[in-house]
Parts: sequence; structure tokens; C-alpha cells
Amino acid sequence: ETGVTQTPRHLVMGMTNKKSLKCEQHLGHNAMYWYKQSAKKPLELMFVYNFKEQTENNSVPSRFSPECPNSSHLFLHLHTLQPEDSALYLCASSLWGPSEKLFFGSGTQLSVL
Amino acid sequence: DAKTTQPPSMDCAEGRAANLPCNHSTISGNEYVYWYRQIHSQGPQYIIHGLKNNETNEMASLIITEDRKSSTLILPHATLRDTAVYYCIVRVTETSGSRLTFGEGTQLTVNP
Repeated sequence: ETGVTQTPRHLVMGMTNKKSLKCEQHLGHNAMYWYKQSAKKPLELMFVYNFKEQTENNSVPSRFSPECPNSSHLFLHLHTLQPEDSALYLCASSLWGPSEKLFFGSGTQLSVL
Repeated sequence: DAKTTQPPSMDCAEGRAANLPCNHSTISGNEYVYWYRQIHSQGPQYIIHGLKNNETNEMASLIITEDRKSSTLILPHATLRDTAVYYCIVRVTETSGSRLTFGEGTQLTVNP
């Protein structure tokens, strides 16, 4: 148990569906992150939030829409995804500053049919 | 952030020390060396990090060469539960958060 909880653990959706991934942390952290891990590929950083403000968007397609209502919660809204978006989506949190450790959730395994 | 090079895979016998190497020949003076591991289908887990000096915690030891161009993660008594992908990452000690860039890592397999 890392203190970062992601729901759901597994999600199957069609290309026309709209779904949301949820991440919650109770570690008192003020930075939250979304990473994507496709099969047999390294983790890719998608979004970074610092004190609810988005500080980084690594050229992620607009069909992925993040939301950070407060420092403890992070969402990833999904719509009109493609089969190649099937991947493990990982949320992480940390304190904002140099040399701070990332704490990861267990991820949501997403399959787009 | 500096690039790192790790062997794609390694094997280790249970109970023996696992020594995982990492080359980071382009590392700058203000870049830390981090190690994370990822057990199958789980999120990565922080292990240890260091700047210049060797570091030890309850999970592992980190040995950084004097020129800082390479490092070794040591798991002193590997168990089957240490089977995972181990990532060596270097990053600048900036104030813009912990945005780590993961490479492909080393798949460590601990055998009984």
C-alpha cells in the first residue's frame, strides 16, 4: 500500500465511450502525475500538476483530459479513444521540489475495443 | 536529464547479493541518481537515490563511482519477491517537481 489509490483497476471501453480514471492520495503531497505504460514500452509522462495547476502536458492528444480539483485528487477523462491507447495508466504523487520521491498507484489497465 | 544505460536482463540466485549496474557517463554535477523498481502489473516503487556519496537504506545500497559516471544498486540478500524491472534514472535537482524519465530498465529474475 503506497498511499496512492487508483480506480478502477481494470477498464474495458469502446471507442465511442466516455470514461474517467480516478486517483487519490492521502500522503499530504502537492504534486500529482499521470504516466502511460504501453506493452513492452517504458513509462511515458503525460501530465504534471503542482498545487492543482497543470505544469506539463507532454503533447498528449486532446482525447485525454486531466482534471485536478484539489491536491489530493486527480482524474483522467477519456473520450473517443483508439485501440492503441490501450495501456496501463499510472498515477503518482510527490512533494513539489528537487529530489522528491514519487509514490505510484497500482494503475488502471485500460483496454479499448 | 542525462541518459542511462542498463543491461536488459540479469539473473540472481535467491539469498545471494544482486548487483545491478548503471552507466550515466554524461551526468552533470547537479543530477541525482535514482533507482525504482516495478513488479509485474504494479506501479513503480522508489528504492533509493544519491548524489555523490554511497547510500544505504532498508531496501538496498547505492554505490556511485568517484567520477559519478556509473553506479551500482546492491540488493544484499535477494528474495524471489525482488524479481522486477529495475530502473536507474538521473535528474536535475531543480525546483520543478519530480518529473522522472524512465528508460527500459533491467529485468532482474531471482531464481530459487
